[in-house]
Amino acid sequence: AQSVAQPEDQVNVAEGNPLTVKCTYSVSGNPYLFWYVQYPNRGLQFLLKYITGDNLVKGSYGFEAEFNKSQTSFHLKKPSALVSDSALYFCAVRAHNNAGNMLTFGGGTRLMVKP
Amino acid sequence: EPEVTQTPSHQVTQMGQEVILRCVPISNHLYFYWYRQILGQKVEFLVSFYNNEISEKSEIFDDQFSVERPDGSNFTLKIRSTKLEDSAMYFCASRDSGGAQPQHFGDGTRLSIL
Repeated sequence: AQSVAQPEDQVNVAEGNPLTVKCTYSVSGNPYLFWYVQYPNRGLQFLLKYITGDNLVKGSYGFEAEFNKSQTSFHLKKPSALVSDSALYFCAVRAHNNAGNMLTFGGGTRLMVKP
Repeated sequence: EPEVTQTPSHQVTQMGQEVILRCVPISNHLYFYWYRQILGQKVEFLVSFYNNEISEKSEIFDDQFSVERPDGSNFTLKIRSTKLEDSAMYFCASRDSGGAQPQHFGDGTRLSIL
């Protein structure tokens, strides 16, 4: 079984400040990890992924995420938040050996960036 | 950039009626998925589809649900006899070959069962 936890329902940051959205996961074997963003009335938009290799991965819109195997975490980060980053963020995992390739999502974290 | 498109954006149906949700995946993708999101809850996996057959399905995907790729472009989800608890946002996704490729999602169909 695989699972994802996003411990914060909401994260509030001021524009220009760094942001972190937390994610921990549980999976059998090696994970593929993903972050998606959802704007109002839209689908899930892919931001970045971790497959293997460097623990710090860079994605769209200046976002990056840090994979930590010992802590089974994959926190999303951005050095300087924009008001336009305000949205719902989902972390997702699937195991390398998952034949059906299903993604398991966390419950989502609402990011609010205030001017 | 290619997109996954879903129709209709909102479907209102009487309980017990059949409903078909439609999706056009990205054209060169071979793997297709349906997920749902009940209001305020997690995005949940329903089914994955590859090579014209279901590769995996969740407990949610019972006998009331079916999927089909009727032609070379569409991918449909049918709910045979809808229940109130089927009310949710339904997302279609597709991905390219290669195990680590991300799934790309459509904007969803909001299904409201009355």
